[in-house]
Amino acid sequence: GQQLNQSPQSMFIQEGEDVSMNCTSSSIFNTWLWYKQDPGEGPVLLIALYKAGELTSNGRLTAQFGITRKDSFLNISASIPSDVGIYFCAGQKQGGSEKLVFGKGTKLTVNP
Amino acid sequence: EAQVTQNPRYLITVTGKKLTVTCSQNMNHEYMSWYRQDPGLGLRQIYYSMNVEVTDKGDVPEGYKVSRKEKRNFPLILESPSPNQTSLYFCASSLFAQPLDLNQPQHFGDGTRLSIL
Repeated sequence: GQQLNQSPQSMFIQEGEDVSMNCTSSSIFNTWLWYKQDPGEGPVLLIALYKAGELTSNGRLTAQFGITRKDSFLNISASIPSDVGIYFCAGQKQGGSEKLVFGKGTKLTVNP
Repeated sequence: EAQVTQNPRYLITVTGKKLTVTCSQNMNHEYMSWYRQDPGLGLRQIYYSMNVEVTDKGDVPEGYKVSRKEKRNFPLILESPSPNQTSLYFCASSLFAQPLDLNQPQHFGDGTRLSIL
């Protein structure tokens, strides 16, 4: 089955640094989603993007829907220790019955 | 409280012994889905359901069955489990499959860790 190419696989940063991760696909998506998963828990939706070129923020998080509709990035500014976790991108091609495709995740470690 | 409840949370069993993982949501959501999560592979969709009696295959449906007889329940059935089905499984629900926005996100359960020996 198709998956999204998410990079980097892991990141080790110092508290206060900015973080950037991205997802690419050979297919066009109509929706891009970014999730965060804490250890032992299910993923939680952070940001949802619906239009090419859309730039959306949620607190210190900013995500963009690429113009080509084949990519998206997530930025986290001024990272804090509780940002630690695995971040997943996900894409959906059409409304209605189309399934959700996930990236393999970016594991973020923040050193205090 | 809005919840997706999976049971059991942990299960160790043997090859070939049929098992069912239950999933229940209390939000009257139409869309429900099962995923498996494996190291280095992220989340892969097994099956999803748009509404009662409507189910569709996801990316990795082989070896699994589902049913949606009522809106709130979406059990995952492994008729003859094999070791390659050892994984962490998540059930999720949302009001609709699309759009998924912060006002109607896809809620995930806490996961079920299955070990098939």
